Amino acid sequence: GAGVSQSPRYKVAKRGQDVALRCDPISGHVSLFWYQQALGQGPEFLTYFQNEAQLDKSGLPSDRFFAERPEGSVSTLKIQRTQQEDSAVYLCASSLAPWAATNEKLFFGSGTQLSVL
Amino acid sequence: KNEVEQSPQNLTAQEGEFITINCSYSVGISALHWLQQHPGGGIVSLFMLSSGKKKHGRLIATINIQEKHSSLHITASHPRDSAVYICAVSLRNTDKLIFGTGTRLQVFP
Repeated sequence: GAGVSQSPRYKVAKRGQDVALRCDPISGHVSLFWYQQALGQGPEFLTYFQNEAQLDKSGLPSDRFFAERPEGSVSTLKIQRTQQEDSAVYLCASSLAPWAATNEKLFFGSGTQLSVL
Repeated sequence: KNEVEQSPQNLTAQEGEFITINCSYSVGISALHWLQQHPGGGIVSLFMLSSGKKKHGRLIATINIQEKHSSLHITASHPRDSAVYICAVSLRNTDKLIFGTGTRLQVFP
């Protein structure tokens, strides 16, 4: 597709369940970001990949959060033992260039809305 | 205090009105982004600027680096402009974007 694709669009999980959220960036995009957006708030940075390398994971809120991008394209954000406070929209964004080198325009997916009951 | 602050938080307007949304930041940046988020939808990048002014259609974005302030203007507003407008800044020499909490705009016919 032409844009950043995220799946599933909605996810309802029981507390304690593991979830996996997928992001398909635009083909050829080097940089990939994950953000968490709580209701009524602006997005907050979670982690950044440059190709397959996870260069920054300082925004991951706990060790229950894990992200990977093994082949430098599709990325998965995994949340283990979900808690109610994990309920949020998880946004993925990609950019053509390495982020630190240039400030390229970001392209966002529609997000995955996670609700933990 | 948030590093990126937007005002107003909520804004209502009549169709045709000139709209201004403000963004102030307190950190050193390499660029500032204006983004648009429709309800239930993804985020669309409107502008990325590091100096001066950019224009695209009815949208104009300006930035004053010395004053650490940016404005987004919408001329001849239309109901389809109703969305949340988010200001975000790229911190110098890092990969991080810091986002404001957004301005919710509603334009009524």
